[in-house]
Amino acid sequence: DAGVIQSPRHEVTEMGQEVTLRCKPISGHNSLFWYRQTMMRGLELLIYFNNNVPIDDSGMPEDRFSAKMPNASFSTLKIQPSEPRDSAVYFCASSLREEVGEQYFGPGTRLTVT
Amino acid sequence: AQTVTQSQPEMSVQEAETVTLSCTYDTSESDYYLFWYKQPPSRQMILVIRQEAYKQQNATENRFSVNFQKAAKSFSLKISDSQLGDAAMYFCAYRRGGSEKLVFGKGMKLTVNP
Repeated sequence: DAGVIQSPRHEVTEMGQEVTLRCKPISGHNSLFWYRQTMMRGLELLIYFNNNVPIDDSGMPEDRFSAKMPNASFSTLKIQPSEPRDSAVYFCASSLREEVGEQYFGPGTRLTVT
Repeated sequence: AQTVTQSQPEMSVQEAETVTLSCTYDTSESDYYLFWYKQPPSRQMILVIRQEAYKQQNATENRFSVNFQKAAKSFSLKISDSQLGDAAMYFCAYRRGGSEKLVFGKGMKLTVNP
């Protein structure tokens, strides 16, 4: 299996622009997670889905952030409008809910907002 | 709310030596799981080892083992025969039973000296 796939790997954009991050989970996994990693705040869970349904979005920082999972093999995290403080590494992870524990992480997207 | 604390931001070890990374957590739950993840410079988060709280036996995976002290809420990772490839950020994480959410510590940078 190719593992969790994220695109792009790097994104540089100007403040005010819309940013869309993409994730393809491991085939057969039914849970998907979006994390943000910064030096100051560490690794934070933003939102997670189970069977394409958002279960917990309490970590989404504000209305500028939105996430969708239209089908079992694709999810997006959108920031509109972007701000410099959104600069971070964004990770997507997937897991099989019936199995306890392991979340498989993608390589992350490094976002820089200037 | 559950918290995970890694009090040592950085450690170093000589190649072939043993090192122990500390982690404490706070929870009122009796059913939970603990994890150690490794993040090398490539950024990829990799599961190193996991421990179920109901198991008294400490988990072991090759050169990696844990010392799980449930009463003290302590979960340390021991790396034996350290190798250069062990150099990475290490994150301790907690998951409550019945939940899919992982709560991460701030991480600890391990340097392995040749």
